[in-house]
Amino acid sequence: ETGVTQSPTHLIKTRGQQVTLRCSSQSGHNTVSWYQQALGQGPQFIFQYYREEENGRGNFPPRFSGLQFPNYSSELNVNALELDDSALYLCASSPGLAKSSYEQYFGPGTRLTVT
Amino acid sequence: DQQVKQNSPSLSVQEGRISILNCDYTNSMFDYFLWYKKYPAEGPTFLISISSIKDKNEDGRFTVFLNKSAKHLSLHIVPSQPGDSAVYFCAASGSNYQLIWGAGTKLIIKP
Repeated sequence: ETGVTQSPTHLIKTRGQQVTLRCSSQSGHNTVSWYQQALGQGPQFIFQYYREEENGRGNFPPRFSGLQFPNYSSELNVNALELDDSALYLCASSPGLAKSSYEQYFGPGTRLTVT
Repeated sequence: DQQVKQNSPSLSVQEGRISILNCDYTNSMFDYFLWYKKYPAEGPTFLISISSIKDKNEDGRFTVFLNKSAKHLSLHIVPSQPGDSAVYFCAASGSNYQLIWGAGTKLIIKP
């Protein structure tokens, strides 16, 4: 059974650019959640996708957007990057919406640096 | 507005002794609480959880206690082992299934 994978591992972008981060869910999981973890802080919920539909969003501006594909893999897109977007971005998959609150499996994260 | 707070950024404990990590929350609508453990360069991994209808849940060396009136939960690790050195996050969820996380406590187990 393959776990949650994320790509790329690291990347560096310039302020104002756009970035796409990718996540492959664990096999059989139809729910994906994205988190931003700034240095020294806990993960902050960005949004969640369930069966290709957005199901809940945290306190992030519209320039943070996402997609979930029929195979339940997911993308996080961030437009007009700002310096404060520098963080570790974590993806977590769950076997169902109801279980997403207590059964989440995390990928290793993508470290984004905005200069 | 921090709904979940872990007030100790770090904690150092002697190997073999008890480690106690604390977490406070403000939202009385939270009905499920979880502890995650995170090693460097890895994603968080689930450790133990507790429903709001219980006040204690035990799994091997790990026990979580919930005090709803004080809006406080704690994680006890007995006995502490070197492999327990990691960052521990407390998280809470309500009916919207979203997890709200604390800032984490770095646990260091001294040999």
